[in-house]
Amino acid sequence: GAVVSQHPSRVICKSGTSVKIECRSLDFQATTMFWYRQFPKQSLMLMATSNEGSKATYEQGVEKDKFLINHASLTLSTLTVTSAHPEDSSFYICSARDWSSGLSRGQYFGPGTRLTVL
Amino acid sequence: QQQVKQSPQSLIVQKGGISIINCAYENTAFDYFPWYQQFPGKGPALLIAIRPDVSEKKEGRFTISFNKSAKQFSLHIMDSQPGDSATYFCAASVTEGGADGLTFGKGTHLIIQP
Repeated sequence: GAVVSQHPSRVICKSGTSVKIECRSLDFQATTMFWYRQFPKQSLMLMATSNEGSKATYEQGVEKDKFLINHASLTLSTLTVTSAHPEDSSFYICSARDWSSGLSRGQYFGPGTRLTVL
Repeated sequence: QQQVKQSPQSLIVQKGGISIINCAYENTAFDYFPWYQQFPGKGPALLIAIRPDVSEKKEGRFTISFNKSAKQFSLHIMDSQPGDSATYFCAASVTEGGADGLTFGKGTHLIIQP
């Protein structure tokens, strides 16, 4: 149980284009999902908290107009990188909490999406 | 300000040995401390987690030791195997069960030599 998927796994785009990344909880419902960014050989940095049916909460220094988050259902959150530039190239990873049976079982991470902006 | 400090940055252990990774935190409001294992190009996988009301938790070959007064916690991997070679991250969150986003340590690159 507690499987989180992401799509696509890899994406290469030209500078100035927008890219959408999907995060799905496959076998549980997630009212809250999280988006992280990880640069090569570095740690994960929380970008934003995605709340189903409401606006996302962004961490300090993360541009909300550049990284659009939509959490339209209990199993899907999307991250759209708008007008991507080479410095946005990174590994984007989502996570979701499993509240099965009313108990938190921790955060489970997706496999990540490698974004390369040319 | 780095809220979770992790050491060592890299670690080499012989097969069958004990791997020990340490973390220290600053925010006394942290209430949940998980450890994650990450292989190259993959997302982190939850290994084991602990809350401050216990001093130790063991799951298989993995043990977390927690020292609340020192604000430190560590991961011990017993009988380390080559398949354990990966990057390990400690993390912390304020809300019980990690309802808020996690603050990660910088990671430890572990290599288990056959």
